[in-house]
Amino acid sequence: GAVVSQHPSRVICKSGTSVKIECRSLDFQATTMFWYRQFPKKSLMLMATSNEGSKATYEQGVEKDKFLINHASLTLSTLTVTSAHPEDSSFYICSASSLLGQGMPTEQFFGPGTRLTVL
Amino acid sequence: GEDVEQSLFLSVREGDSSVINCTYTDSSSTYLYWYKQEPGAGLQLLTYIFSNMDMKQDQRLTVLLNKKDKHLSLRIADTQTGDSAIYFCAESMANRDDKIIFGKGTRLHILP
Repeated sequence: GAVVSQHPSRVICKSGTSVKIECRSLDFQATTMFWYRQFPKKSLMLMATSNEGSKATYEQGVEKDKFLINHASLTLSTLTVTSAHPEDSSFYICSASSLLGQGMPTEQFFGPGTRLTVL
Repeated sequence: GEDVEQSLFLSVREGDSSVINCTYTDSSSTYLYWYKQEPGAGLQLLTYIFSNMDMKQDQRLTVLLNKKDKHLSLRIADTQTGDSAIYFCAESMANRDDKIIFGKGTRLHILP
């Protein structure tokens, strides 16, 4: 299947700093990428949908100025957590979508996730 | 509204069948999915079922869909230690196949 990578896998930063997380589709072109946040014992929360070359669409309650998303190419999307605070500590997962085929759903291929810890 | 519910834990003996259940609220869901997440890893699509189907079988996996009760289940036959993971039930919306709503995940623990 298609491979999606994330970098870094783990990051620790100080409160007030910004952190950039990269999401890459390694062997396919993804017109759409998604960013999720996963809380312990809770489901994945979709933060935003990112389309190549256009502005990201943010879900209700997600601050677009706080979580900056850039989808500059068909294989790369970045999420920047600006002015990070301890409550931003979480597991962030990206996915890239690809059609399974005619009349089939879009499959999302997930990255391995990035564990962000804000001190 | 959109909501997907599933129990948080399931323990099964190796070799037995595992059945993970899920309920959802949106009757207009187009597709329903089961994803697997191994420790420290991202999600992997296990299988999906179109909303007009009742059952889908793929090797050791059987998915049953009861649209009337909005109930989805995943049966894993001959459960093995490698099946130990978190299993997420998910649905996609009728007008937005790219938006997937996930349940909280069921942690499957395999007993020796």
